[in-house]
Amino acid sequence: RKEVEQDPGPFNVPEGATVAFNCTYSNSASQSFFWYRQDCRKEPKLLMSVYSSGNEDGRFTAQLNRASQYISLLIRDSKLSDSATYLCVVNQSGNKLTFGGGTRVLVKP
Amino acid sequence: EAGVTQFPSHSVIEKGQTVTLRCDPISGHDNLYWYRRVMGKEIKFLLHFVKESKQDESGMPNNRFLAERTGGTYSTLKVQPAELEDSGVYFCASSQPQTGVQDTQYFGPGTRLTVL
Repeated sequence: RKEVEQDPGPFNVPEGATVAFNCTYSNSASQSFFWYRQDCRKEPKLLMSVYSSGNEDGRFTAQLNRASQYISLLIRDSKLSDSATYLCVVNQSGNKLTFGGGTRVLVKP
Repeated sequence: EAGVTQFPSHSVIEKGQTVTLRCDPISGHDNLYWYRRVMGKEIKFLLHFVKESKQDESGMPNNRFLAERTGGTYSTLKVQPAELEDSGVYFCASSQPQTGVQDTQYFGPGTRLTVL
């Protein structure tokens, strides 16, 4: 079983719509959680950290469910520029990040 | 402020040859990390430096890989001899420790290594 699992997609989303997807993690002792965004052939870039109480950054909302060991990301009012691969990232210990395989999102006009 | 830089951006070598990848972290960042993504797989951790010391090298695949960070500034990752399965994208990241919160790792653009 992978340490961090994501639906690879793609999620085809009409512009302006809302899309949400999850990831699950296997290590219950995981300490911190992130969503990174990766454009084609580019480096991962931090989108947002995920806090236990849930947090929002503009059109993006992240939730953490420790009991069920999953993290979610919701994107409202999708823009064409939101098309990317979204990486679920978990810090299990120290500063060693564990990545999911990514969820691909395609926003279409 | 300059971000993490990596050199070269691409490298194509033959099996058995040696390749050295370089990473320059964000100025002042004590933490430096190497990760890699091989074809069809997720990005995986290789190792973590704090200044010039190896903090965690649990992800290094085997002894053909040697990472150094002399002087605690830039880092090199040498693969010798390279094998076909070493092909992939090698990312470097850096961060600066913060009190009470998880520090953010900033990634470089990666080096795409192809071993023929």
